[in-house]
Amino acid sequence: RKEVEQDPGPFNVPEGATVAFNCTYSNSASQSFFWYRQDCRKEPKLLMSVYSSGNEDGRFTAQLNRASQYISLLIRDSKLSDSATYLCVVNTPNDYKLSFGAGTTVTVRA
Amino acid sequence: DAGVIQSPRHEVTEMGQEVTLRCKPISGHDYLFWYRQTMMRGLELLIYFNNNVPIDDSGMPEDRFSAKMPNASFSTLKIQPSEPRDSAVYFCASSLASQSFSGNTIYFGEGSWLTVV
Repeated sequence: RKEVEQDPGPFNVPEGATVAFNCTYSNSASQSFFWYRQDCRKEPKLLMSVYSSGNEDGRFTAQLNRASQYISLLIRDSKLSDSATYLCVVNTPNDYKLSFGAGTTVTVRA
Repeated sequence: DAGVIQSPRHEVTEMGQEVTLRCKPISGHDYLFWYRQTMMRGLELLIYFNNNVPIDDSGMPEDRFSAKMPNASFSTLKIQPSEPRDSAVYFCASSLASQSFSGNTIYFGEGSWLTVV
């Protein structure tokens, strides 16, 4: 079983729509969670960390559900510039390695 | 400030040839990571260093792959001999020890796009 699993999508949504997707992780002892964004043919970049109580960053909302071992990302009022692949990232306890999901592709159309 | 710098950005080589990828981490960062990304397998950690010392190379595919970090500002990933299945994007990334559990300090280079024919 992979450490981090994501729905690959793609999610095709019109501008202004809300899109949400999840990521599951296998290690119940995982401590840190993040969403990274990767544009086509570019490197991954941190979008936001995911905190236990959930957190927002503008139009982006991240949630963590430890009981079910998943994290989610919701994008409100989608913009064309939100088109990208979103990578779920989980930190292995007592380790400096980050485990990356395969990514969820979002395409926002005009 | 300069980010993580990788070279070459693109390389096309013939099967059996040696490939050397280079990385200059962000100055002051003491962790360096080599990742490989393919459509089939996603982003995989190959090896990482702390203060120039390899800590975990369990992700290195096989003996054809080797990585070195002779000093704090330079690392290489070498493939010898290269095979078509090595075709991928190879990312180098660096981070600070004090914050290495938090992803916000892991900075990726732009990647080296390798094609082995």
